[in-house]
Parts: sequence; C-alpha cells; structure tokens
Amino acid sequence: GQQVMQIPQYQHVQEGEDFTTYCNSSTTLSNIQWYKQRPGGHPVFLIQLVKSGEVKKQKRLTFQFGEAKKNSSLHITATQTTDVGTYFCAGPTGGSTLGRLYFGRGTQLTVWP
Amino acid sequence: SAVISQKPSRDICQRGTSLTIQCQVDSQVTMMFWYRQQPGQSLTLIATANQGSEATYESGFVIDKFPISRPNLTFSTLTVSNMSPEDSSIYLCSAGDSPGQSPLHFGNGTRLTVT
Repeated sequence: GQQVMQIPQYQHVQEGEDFTTYCNSSTTLSNIQWYKQRPGGHPVFLIQLVKSGEVKKQKRLTFQFGEAKKNSSLHITATQTTDVGTYFCAGPTGGSTLGRLYFGRGTQLTVWP
Repeated sequence: SAVISQKPSRDICQRGTSLTIQCQVDSQVTMMFWYRQQPGQSLTLIATANQGSEATYESGFVIDKFPISRPNLTFSTLTVSNMSPEDSSIYLCSAGDSPGQSPLHFGNGTRLTVT
C-alpha cells in the first residue's frame, strides 16, 4: 500500500526562525507535490517536483526532491505568522495507473509572534 | 485552476441516516476523488469517482457504505450511508486533470458530525 512518511508531525517556532519538514517514500516517486492547509481550510497546492535532485524556490520556501526520488523536503526561511498551517507532501505510489495521490500525515506549523 | 463547490459545508446527522455530499467543478476535469480527513489528521483517499462507471474504492472503503456517482465530467456525489459516530469527519472532494501527475484542487469540505 501507499507509504509516504512525513516528519515531524508538529513544529513550533518563533517568528523569524527557520522550519523544515521532511517526506520519505518507500518507493520511487514519479513526482512529489506539496500542499498547505490553513486552519479550517482545505489543502492548497504549492508546488510539484519531478526531476531527481530538483530544487525549487517560492520566495522564502525552498523545495527539494532527492536524487533517488524517494524523499523530499520543504524549508521555510525566517517564518512569519502567515506561514501557520499544515504542510503535506503527496505522491503517487510506483506502479499506480489511476493517478491516485497519497498524502503524508502532514507537519503542523505553529509560529509564535 | 478549477474552482470546486462542495455542499453542504457542514451537517449534523443522526446515527443510521444517510447524507449525500455534492461536488461541482467549474470546468471539465478528467479525474475526481473523494478524501476523508479526521480533525488534525492527514487526508485518506476514499475512492476515485469515474465518469460513467463505478467508482474505484481504496482498501477499507466499500460501495455499500460510500456510494459515489459521477454522471458527467463536472459533477460528483458521495453518500455516507447508515452513519455511525465513527463517520464523523471532514469529507473533501478534489479534482484534477492527471492527479499523481498534476495538481489537485480541493473543495472547501463537508464537516460531518454524527450523533
């Protein structure tokens, strides 16, 4: 079955500190996607990584896809209170032909002002 | 990106009853999915809603409990049947052109409480 592991489950930081969440898969992924869910909201797509070793940046957010395409990370530099929410990685498992996307358990980020 | 309208946004239902959740997409999409999310938890895929054919269910979910319809490329329904308190959760509709390969868009969810 699907195996997309994500750590840590919770992270509390003071505003201005950095934050990183990690995602690992037991199988090689064709791609990995990252979503953000604000409290009380629904998941919103942030980015997709496809290539081995790929690094993408969105302002203070840096996304990385591992060389073996089995792990990924999201790093936020100098967190702000607007970064509060749960960050999910998601990926299709190897061999899936129906395009199903499986989500990690998420990392809930709290930012103290 | 697709805009997804889901209703009801929330409901409180009695045990043993059924609730049908509707999902409308503002454009034709290839694939639609239904997820369940317990408070503070991750998203669990219930099934893929297939247009014109029976839905494809994930392990642990069955058609008798969660019948799904998808009569066209922009609309789907999920019914939670014979509800019990364990069915209390947020149910999310999602859509995409090639999910697993392209982004998923989500509806605002239906917060279901079963008493």
